[in-house]
Amino acid sequence: EAQVTQNPRYLITVTGKKLTVTCSQNMNHEYMSWYRQDPGLGLRQIYYSMNVEVTDKGDVPEGYKVSRKEKRNFPLILESPSPNQTSLYFCASSPRGGGSDTQYFGPGTRLTVL
Amino acid sequence: GENVEQHPSTLSVQEGDSAVIKCTYSDSASNYFPWYKQELGKRPQLIIDIRSNVGEKKDQRIAVTLNKTAKHFSLHITETQPEDSAVYFCAAHFSGSARQLTFGSGTQLTVLP
Repeated sequence: EAQVTQNPRYLITVTGKKLTVTCSQNMNHEYMSWYRQDPGLGLRQIYYSMNVEVTDKGDVPEGYKVSRKEKRNFPLILESPSPNQTSLYFCASSPRGGGSDTQYFGPGTRLTVL
Repeated sequence: GENVEQHPSTLSVQEGDSAVIKCTYSDSASNYFPWYKQELGKRPQLIIDIRSNVGEKKDQRIAVTLNKTAKHFSLHITETQPEDSAVYFCAAHFSGSARQLTFGSGTQLTVLP
């Protein structure tokens, strides 16, 4: 089944404790991105990747890191999480990027930073 | 950068009535305008999209209209049903940008039985 998967789905952590949210897609998509969703703010892009080893900042990259060592995986790393990073996170992929492709979203990761 | 404003933030309609959600965008070079539906606890999913060379597109009970001059586009849902209750997001893509999409803030649609 073609899909985007994320793990974990739920995470409660404490300030400063490094964490990684994994994202994987099995559709051979070139483009992957991370969004955070907050009430009243919609979906805001954190980072995106046009292809392997190519990543760039979205609209809200502060406090996050990403890597794209393999085409299928695009982990989101929070080196020192803070309470303002409490949010619902979505990974997404699309065949080619460029904005005119359908985005396929993962199931979401709800993160709480205490 | 690109900015997308979406209104209203909440919308309640009676089952069978129509619902309209409106979005405006800031960059006149935007060329692709999708709409995503997010049911409670689920991921956003594309329901319809329109490109800048088209003024209107329909898919059964759902339609999207685009006014490039005014830089706004709208989602129209006719004969609403309880299963249409969800959060709807509009988005716009700026031609030439690698950043994919800029999303609106979302509209919580509630269809009352």
